[in-house]
Amino acid sequence: NAGVTQTPKFRVLKTGQSMTLLCAQDMNHEYMYWYRQDPGMGLRLIHYSVGEGTTAKGEVPDGYNVSRLKKQNFLLGLESAAPSQTSVYFCASRRQGADTGELFFGEGSRLTVL
Amino acid sequence: GQNIDQPTEMTATEGAIVQINCTYQTSGFNGLFWYQQHAGEAPTFLSYNVLDGLEEKGRFSSFLSRSKGYSYLLLKELQMKDSASYLCAVMDSNYQLIWGAGTKLIIKP
Repeated sequence: NAGVTQTPKFRVLKTGQSMTLLCAQDMNHEYMYWYRQDPGMGLRLIHYSVGEGTTAKGEVPDGYNVSRLKKQNFLLGLESAAPSQTSVYFCASRRQGADTGELFFGEGSRLTVL
Repeated sequence: GQNIDQPTEMTATEGAIVQINCTYQTSGFNGLFWYQQHAGEAPTFLSYNVLDGLEEKGRFSSFLSRSKGYSYLLLKELQMKDSASYLCAVMDSNYQLIWGAGTKLIIKP
């Protein structure tokens, strides 16, 4: 099992450019999440999905969009990148109703916006 | 507001014991989690507490007191590979995880 896979692992953008981060999981998990992690701060939830075709805003959704067209994939889009979006992005998934709520994370995508 | 507090950094000696504290104030409580994150890597699950008391898993133990809004992670027989950040997270009433900023643990020989 590959678990949770994120692509790309690294990307450098210029301000105003757009890009999409892809997250794929092969564990048949219902719930998927996109987080960003910045130095000195906890993981912050950007958007999440509780099932195919559904998405919801998290704590810091502005400047991002998401789609969950297939159960195994969760895409995070930046339409017009800004330097404030320089961060490490983590995708995570978990089973529906999991009593432990354990999250399985991808390896992270390091994004730099110049 | 919701808040998770944990120390920014701790230092301990190889072979010793260290306790990392976490206090929380959240809207509802559906469990507390500890994750380990090595530098440049993804967080990995360590433990889950939903009832008061101590959960032991090998060298690692996690304690919870819901009335005090308090948890700790206890690491015994420290090894150099335990050098990492330890993240405390609470699942709130909406079943969303609220994360602390993490405690960077430095192990010295």
